[in-house]
Amino acid sequence: NAGVTQTPKFQVLKTGQSMTLQCAQDMNHEYMSWYRQDPGMGLRLIHYSVGAGITDQGEVPNGYNVSRSTTEDFPLRLLSAAPSQTSVYFCASSYSSGPGYEQYFGPGTRLTVT
Amino acid sequence: AQSVTQLDSQVPVFEEAPVELRCNYSSSVSVYLFWYVQYPNQGLQLLLKYLSGSTLVKGINGFEAEFNKSQTSFHLRKPSVHISDTAEYFCAFNAGGTSYGKLTFGQGTILTVHP
Repeated sequence: NAGVTQTPKFQVLKTGQSMTLQCAQDMNHEYMSWYRQDPGMGLRLIHYSVGAGITDQGEVPNGYNVSRSTTEDFPLRLLSAAPSQTSVYFCASSYSSGPGYEQYFGPGTRLTVT
Repeated sequence: AQSVTQLDSQVPVFEEAPVELRCNYSSSVSVYLFWYVQYPNQGLQLLLKYLSGSTLVKGINGFEAEFNKSQTSFHLRKPSVHISDTAEYFCAFNAGGTSYGKLTFGQGTILTVHP
């Protein structure tokens, strides 16, 4: 099992550019989510999905889109990058969307927007 | 509003000393509580969780935490730390119900173990 994989590991964008952060899991997990990590703020939820075809917004969804066409993949799209989106992005998955299940995190994508 | 507060942003400690990382939460409903660890340049890994039952929860790598409902706390402890415990630690909770798997994280505590 590769677990949760994320690509790319690092990315530099110019303001206004768009890009997609890739996330995939091979554990047949139902629940997937995206967080951003900023110094002194912990992790904040951007979007989440409770199954293929079902997505919803988290705490900080503005400027980001997601879709979930398959169980395995959950890409995060930045529509028009802004310096405020400079952050480390983590994808996570868990077996179920129930509250007590362990979430497995990917290694992260470090994004810099200039 | 539901929130998690980690009371110390940095905790320096010497090897083989005990350590306590403090976490308080605020919620109007029952919560499920977690501690995650993040080693440098890696993703987060679950240390332990409290769902129900015994208030003392044991996790991996010799860590344990105690749930205190009256004080709304979930402090993490280890009786003797190693250099390899140097990492950032996050307390998190899930409010259950329709919150699905959504986690609310604290700000993180950087534990630095000195030789």
